[in-house]
Amino acid sequence: AQSVTQLDSQVPVFEEAPVELRCNYSSSVSVYLFWYVQYPNQGLQLLLKYLSGSTLVKGINGFEAEFNKSQTSFHLRKPSVHISDTAEYFCAVRKTGANNLFFGTGTRLTVIP
Amino acid sequence: DAGITQSPRHKVTETGTPVTLRCHQTENHRYMYWYRQDPGHGLRLIHYSYGVKDTDKGEVSDGYSVSRSKTEDFLLTLESATSSQTSVYFCAISVRLDDNEQFFGPGTRLTVL
Repeated sequence: AQSVTQLDSQVPVFEEAPVELRCNYSSSVSVYLFWYVQYPNQGLQLLLKYLSGSTLVKGINGFEAEFNKSQTSFHLRKPSVHISDTAEYFCAVRKTGANNLFFGTGTRLTVIP
Repeated sequence: DAGITQSPRHKVTETGTPVTLRCHQTENHRYMYWYRQDPGHGLRLIHYSYGVKDTDKGEVSDGYSVSRSKTEDFLLTLESATSSQTSVYFCAISVRLDDNEQFFGPGTRLTVL
């Protein structure tokens, strides 16, 4: 079975500070990995995805994530956050060839002025 | 916007009543999904569809049924709503089943009293 663990349910950070949102997954087979963002009262939007190739993936809004196969992690980072980054962030995994996306429980990022 | 609308956006109903949520897309995408979002659980797949009249169960399908009579519409029905089905429901679409991006609708907040 697959599972996705987001270790922090809430992350407060000051504006212009760096942030890392952690995601670990468990799977015995190859996976695709995703980060989605959900702004208040909206649906989810794709931030970035890892399919294959370079383990460092760049996404929208200055976010990036690094796939670490040995640690089964896909942590999301941004070097300098803005107030507008306040949102909930979801890590998701799909087993290659499978139908379902499995989501983590989410991390609420709050950027403090 | 990926051209996805959900209706209603908010609904309050009583235990035991039937409820139907509608997802409508203008993208002509083949695959459509219904998720529920609950605190501490992230998003969980209820049902998905891979074409007109072709549907399959997700991980939390008990108590729900779906129908897809047209490419653009995917209906989620709670035959007899229970308080445990109070949640926010999201519809999503994708071009292919193994397509690595799903586009999400704005959500429907359902409260079952």
